[in-house]
Amino acid sequence: GAVVSQHPSRVICKSGTSVKIECRSLDFQATTMFWYRQFPKQSLMLMATSNEGSKATYEQGVEKDKFLINHASLTLSTLTVTSAHPEDSSFYICSARAGAGTEAFFGQGTRLTVV
Amino acid sequence: DAKTTQPNSMESNEEEPVHLPCNHSTISGTDYIHWYRQLPSQGPEYVIHGLTSNVNNRMASLAIAEDRKSSTLILHRATLRDAAVYYCILRRFGNEKLTFGTGTRLTIIP
Repeated sequence: GAVVSQHPSRVICKSGTSVKIECRSLDFQATTMFWYRQFPKQSLMLMATSNEGSKATYEQGVEKDKFLINHASLTLSTLTVTSAHPEDSSFYICSARAGAGTEAFFGQGTRLTVV
Repeated sequence: DAKTTQPNSMESNEEEPVHLPCNHSTISGTDYIHWYRQLPSQGPEYVIHGLTSNVNNRMASLAIAEDRKSSTLILHRATLRDAAVYYCILRRFGNEKLTFGTGTRLTIIP
């Protein structure tokens, strides 16, 4: 299957700082990318959907000013957690889709710890 | 999207077949049935999907009930590497999102 790569795989940051997570589709062009968050022992929760060249669509309850998403190219989307707090510590996962109706492929996830 | 119901957990012996059930009694005609699995500390991995007919691929088989209100993911010969949380997800045609439920945690016994 297609490869989606996330970087970094884990990051520790201080409270109040910002951290950027990258999601790349390595062997296909991703018209749509999705960002999920997963807390321990819970399921994945969709945060936002991003389409290349347009603004992201955020799910209800997700602060768009706190979780900045940029999908500047067909192979790269970034999620920036701004002014991170310990409650933002979570496993963040991206997925990418080559086109409507195609399968979604997931990155390996980024474990964020805010201290 | 319609909801799915899966058992919280299942156990199976290594090298035996595993049947993972999923109920989706409110499925609509344009809902595709997707299965993903998530190994510990990894992102989900696509397993299989179908609409009406049974499907086979190198990883698994998907058996879909005639009324489409339930489906079963079949792992033909479980290995320790198949230990994961398996998610059964309905995705309506035209909706690009995948909404994850709680899934079934599969434990493989050596």
